[in-house]
Amino acid sequence: DGGITQSPKYLFRKEGQNVTLSCEQNLNHDAMYWYRQDPGQGLRLIYYSQIVNDFQKGDIAEGYSVSREKKESFPLTVTSAQKNPTAFYLCASSIGIRTTNEKLFFGSGTQLSVL
Amino acid sequence: AQKITQTQPGMFVQEKEAVTLDCTYDTSDPSYGLFWYKQPSSGEMIFLIYQGSYDQQNATEGRYSLNFQKARKSANLVISASQLGDSAMYFCAMRESGANNLFFGTGTRLTVIP
Repeated sequence: DGGITQSPKYLFRKEGQNVTLSCEQNLNHDAMYWYRQDPGQGLRLIYYSQIVNDFQKGDIAEGYSVSREKKESFPLTVTSAQKNPTAFYLCASSIGIRTTNEKLFFGSGTQLSVL
Repeated sequence: AQKITQTQPGMFVQEKEAVTLDCTYDTSDPSYGLFWYKQPSSGEMIFLIYQGSYDQQNATEGRYSLNFQKARKSANLVISASQLGDSAMYFCAMRESGANNLFFGTGTRLTVIP
């Protein structure tokens, strides 16, 4: 089955620690995204990537970093600079990024909590 | 200004009844797309329905329909014959032309009562 796989489902971070959230897709999509979801708020864009080896900051990129070395993979690192990392993180992909009807396909998310 | 506004934090509906979830949007771009997603307790976002700004007819997908009123900038989701499995968060989203992502509303939690 084609889809997006996020791991782990639950992740705990200690003070001063960097943690990496995994996102893999086998849909052959060019574009990939990371969103953060807080209770009572909508999804906010952290980073997105249109092609391999290229990525752009979204609305709330501070304290996060990404890489896109392979088309299938778009890992997100939550660094120690992110002071409030507790949230639900969703990875998504789309065929492209240029047309208004590009729908996003989502993974099942990772819940990150601070110890 | 918020690009997407969902004013109903929570809604209740009796099983087998219809329910309308409200969404208003704000854009000056003549070309845009509107989406609805469902998020069950498992967390995954599931695409439900899409409406393009130039589409003449309201979009329908099975029990889902989108009541698109362009002049009012509203894109309400109508779910007919509600089922217990429809209980979830529902998000309205918009993509403007040339934009690199979707803007999401804050969501509406729908609870279907047996």
